[in-house]
Amino acid sequence: DADVTQTPRNRITKTGKRIMLECSQTKGHDRMYWYRQDPGLGLRLIYYSFDVKDINKGEISDGYSVSRQAQAKFSLSLESAIPNQTALYFCATSDKQGTNTEAFFGQGTRLTVV
Amino acid sequence: GQSLEQPSEVTAVEGAIVQINCTYQTSGFYGLSWYQQHDGGAPTFLSYNALDGLEETGRFSSFLSRSDSYGYLLLQELQMKDSASYFCAARNQAGTALIFGKGTTLSVSS
Repeated sequence: DADVTQTPRNRITKTGKRIMLECSQTKGHDRMYWYRQDPGLGLRLIYYSFDVKDINKGEISDGYSVSRQAQAKFSLSLESAIPNQTALYFCATSDKQGTNTEAFFGQGTRLTVV
Repeated sequence: GQSLEQPSEVTAVEGAIVQINCTYQTSGFYGLSWYQQHDGGAPTFLSYNALDGLEETGRFSSFLSRSDSYGYLLLQELQMKDSASYFCAARNQAGTALIFGKGTTLSVSS
């Protein structure tokens, strides 16, 4: 089983719909992240969390919200999806120890908003 | 702000050596990381440089010069399976999350 699991893997939704992307991890890491990937733009940080009570905005948080339900679970919500939120979304985790920020990524969720 | 610049594409042939450069601009610096991503897959960690110099891991090496705000990933004895996107990454200003460059697509041909 994957250490970082994202569900769903693929989703097509309509403009204006609310959608939640879920992420769970078995690595025991405190830090969790949501990134968005668009062609030619690399990975852009949406939100990150250091523990259940800690939520921080990233570069592109507008139009998104997150919930850290437990140490192992971090979900991303689009309250009212719009077509330019069509992208590949990645969840990632990292350990708080040390200065190296090796991140472990899930397999991604391909979201299409029509 | 914070930014990492890298070439968008690089092409090479099997067996060759290729270097992917990354220049960064950050308010605080905590080291430079490199990630590999095969088409549509999860990015995976390759290397991390906290100090100046070369770090070698098999066919891949990574170099950092903090005085020049510059690093590179060196791939030797290229194989077809090395065709992928490569991202340099550094922590954000607060040191709390990774910020990525836009990625370099490497195409290896026979």
